Amino acid sequence: SQQGEEDPQALSIQEGENATMNCSYKTSINNLQWYRQNSGRGLVHLILIRSNEREKHSGRLRVTLDTSKKSSSLLITASRAADTASYFCATGPLNTDKLIFGTGTRLQVFP
Amino acid sequence: GAVVSQHPSWVICKSGTSVKIECRSLDFQATTMFWYRQFPKQSLMLMATSNEGSKATYEQGVEKDKFLINHASLTLSTLTVTSAHPEDSSFYICSAPQGARSPLHFGNGTRLTVT
Repeated sequence: SQQGEEDPQALSIQEGENATMNCSYKTSINNLQWYRQNSGRGLVHLILIRSNEREKHSGRLRVTLDTSKKSSSLLITASRAADTASYFCATGPLNTDKLIFGTGTRLQVFP
Repeated sequence: GAVVSQHPSWVICKSGTSVKIECRSLDFQATTMFWYRQFPKQSLMLMATSNEGSKATYEQGVEKDKFLINHASLTLSTLTVTSAHPEDSSFYICSAPQGARSPLHFGNGTRLTVT
């Protein structure tokens, strides 16, 4: 399977703390994207990092990409209870438009 | 922003019946749409790529005669689960990119329960 793996599978933190999620993938990619899913809903795109980029920021989000290790991390700083959701990385294999999703991290932020 | 509408949001059907799920891009044209399936507390598994005006491309292990996909216009793709069985119960989500290699816009999903 091409599906990537994320760790941890679940993460519980207090409001104000930082949350870090890691993603590993298997094939060469065009880009890597992070999505968020609230329970029972569709996914919302958070951030896209291209294969020639190493780090990207968007608000409280910071994403890194290491193509040599085929890995990425998502850091959410100063977390809020509203950040509680599942987070998925997704990779776009070369020469395709489809996205393959990782196994996901369930983040719980306690107020 | 780009919106993808999926309908119905939930459906309960009896074993042996067929169910059609619609996915519409509301403010952009989508020559390609993707159908995913998600079991509880698991990730999304890509089922197939829906191509406007041509046959869908199915992922390995997905039965094309079981999951019929039609992409008749630039804004509508449908997934029909034929002769549904309880093991088909799942959360089905469609998505579409607004352009090549761009992020996906997701519908809100359809929860299918087969009794």
